[in-house]
Amino acid sequence: AQRVTQPEKLLSVFKGAPVELKCNYSYSGSPELFWYVQYSRQRLQLLLRHISRESIKGFTADLNKGETSFHLKKPFAQEEDSAMYYCALSSGDSSYKLIFGSGTRLLVRP
Amino acid sequence: KAGVTQTPRYLIKTRGQQVTLSCSPISGHRSVSWYQQTPGQGLQFLFEYFSETQRNKGNFPGRFSGRQFSNSRSEMNVSTLELGDSALYLCASSLAGVRGYTFGSGTRLTVV
Repeated sequence: AQRVTQPEKLLSVFKGAPVELKCNYSYSGSPELFWYVQYSRQRLQLLLRHISRESIKGFTADLNKGETSFHLKKPFAQEEDSAMYYCALSSGDSSYKLIFGSGTRLLVRP
Repeated sequence: KAGVTQTPRYLIKTRGQQVTLSCSPISGHRSVSWYQQTPGQGLQFLFEYFSETQRNKGNFPGRFSGRQFSNSRSEMNVSTLELGDSALYLCASSLAGVRGYTFGSGTRLTVV
């Protein structure tokens, strides 16, 4: 079964500290992985996707098929990074749906 | 350009009633998907439409249905509402699939 696991409900770090939000997935094929972010009182928005291999707002994520992980990283956290982060998986075939993890709330303290 | 618009923003219904939620996608987007977000179950896929055809459906009872019109606007309907249907219902649109999702602000449904 396809599943996305985000083991941490809350991650609290100080400003300037490195951040790693964990995401593990279960899927036997070739998945497409995404990170979505939801800032307070704003709509859910795409942060990055693994096929683009891009860095958005200083965040990067590498797909590790051996460990079935897609952790989100940022070397120096900023207070404005405080938000809810969701990892999501698409099976990449014609399923036309995303499977979301339960989310991790990132709190960056001054 | 205008984003994904969902109406109404808030809705309160009584158990047993039915409700219709509306979603207007970004102009030019032909794929519309619906998700249910609750504190307990998180974000769960309801269904996806493309050019008026449902291409995939999530694991929800038949009380949940949807449709898409020729202008790509979509509606979802929930009949015989239950307390557990209280949730934030999100709509997302894209040109063709999951890669370019843009989400709306959602409709918060409360069933009393």
